[in-house]
Formats: sequence, C-alpha cells, structure tokens
Amino acid sequence: GENVEQHPSTLSVQEGDSAVIKCTYSDSASNYFPWYKQELGKRPQLIIDIRSNVGEKKDQRIAVTLNKTAKHFSLHITETQPEDSAVYFCAATPNTGGFKTIFGAGTRLFVKA
Amino acid sequence: SQTIHQWPATLVQPVGSPLSLECTVEGTSNPNLYWYRQAAGRGLQLLFYSVGIGQISSEVPQNLSASRPQDRQFILSSKKLLLSDSGFYLCAWMGVMNTEAFFGQGTRLTVV
Repeated sequence: GENVEQHPSTLSVQEGDSAVIKCTYSDSASNYFPWYKQELGKRPQLIIDIRSNVGEKKDQRIAVTLNKTAKHFSLHITETQPEDSAVYFCAATPNTGGFKTIFGAGTRLFVKA
Repeated sequence: SQTIHQWPATLVQPVGSPLSLECTVEGTSNPNLYWYRQAAGRGLQLLFYSVGIGQISSEVPQNLSASRPQDRQFILSSKKLLLSDSGFYLCAWMGVMNTEAFFGQGTRLTVV
C-alpha cells in the first residue's frame, strides 16, 4: 500500500522568511496530492492540491511542486506570517480501489514575529 | 454544498465505558466516509473507511468498530474504552473521484 513520509516534523522560521515542507510517497499509481493546514484544536482544511499531470501550482504565497519520477512533492510558503503557524499535512491518494488517502505525519510550523 | 457534522466536540469517559461518535453528511449521496484518529502531536491515522451502507474496511486492529447504517451516517463505537483510545477523532468525507477531504469538527476524547 501507499506510504507517505513528511519532513521536517517541526519547522521554526522568522516572519517574512520562506518555509519548505517535503513529502515522499511510495505508490507510483498515486495521482492526487493535497496539502492540509490544521490550526490548534481545529479540523484540517485543504490549502492547495496538485494532480499528477501538473508539475507546479501556485496560489498567492503558497506553492506546491511535484516530481513524479522521484516520487516527491513539496509545499513552499513565502513571506511567512504568524498566522501561518499550524500543523501542515501532505497526503497522497492512490488510484486504486478504496480511494484511500494516506497522510504524512505532519509538520508543526512556528512563525516567529 | 456538502457539509459534515460530527458530535460531540468533547468527551471525557471512564475506562471500560462504551463509546459512540456520530458523523453525518449533507448535500451529497453515496459519499466515501472515513474515521481518523490523531494522537497528541501526531499525524492522522486511518481507522475505518466506508464506500457504502454496511460496507466497512478496517485499517488497524483495535478496540474500536464502525458502522454505516445509512448512506450519510457513519458511527464509531467501542464496547469498552481503554486509556490508549484517548485522542482527537476526525470524521471525513471524500468524493468518489480523487478530491479533497472534508473533515468534521473533530471529537476530543479523553479516557480517564
């Protein structure tokens, strides 16, 4: 089955700096890669996603890149702000029976003012 | 638009007591439904998923069970809670095609 590894587990940056979170996956049949943001005590919510026919996608200060050959994808946050502090999860959905989305372990991002 | 309701938001239960968490979805039919558990400071562990009424798949052996009595209702249960069952439980809905997951508000369960 699919396995998703996410690094780092904790990331601390200064306000205004960039943050990068990386994930790798094992199932070459995976074709959908969402990223979720979870604020303290709240539900995870989608912030950006990418499909396997696209190499990069950008939405204002956040961007995601996908390298299908290497089976890794990354989240980039530029000009970080204190409100970006949260736990971020990557995920991969294999195009096999069950439609199971497998999540990474999460990255706790701290943005220091 | 689709919405997902999960309750209760917080629950404190003694060891050995039963558990029932309920999740309902509105605005869609035949949803794929999921139960996840998130231990403190940890990632999302898939517990159960269901692609239809009465169809339950379990990802990990555990003290919990799930049922889907109606198309838009997904229930997480336990006959006797253990201390290790404490955590943040999230119900989620995903469409048939690979799309984003919509999560319920979560239930913080503390077993004492």
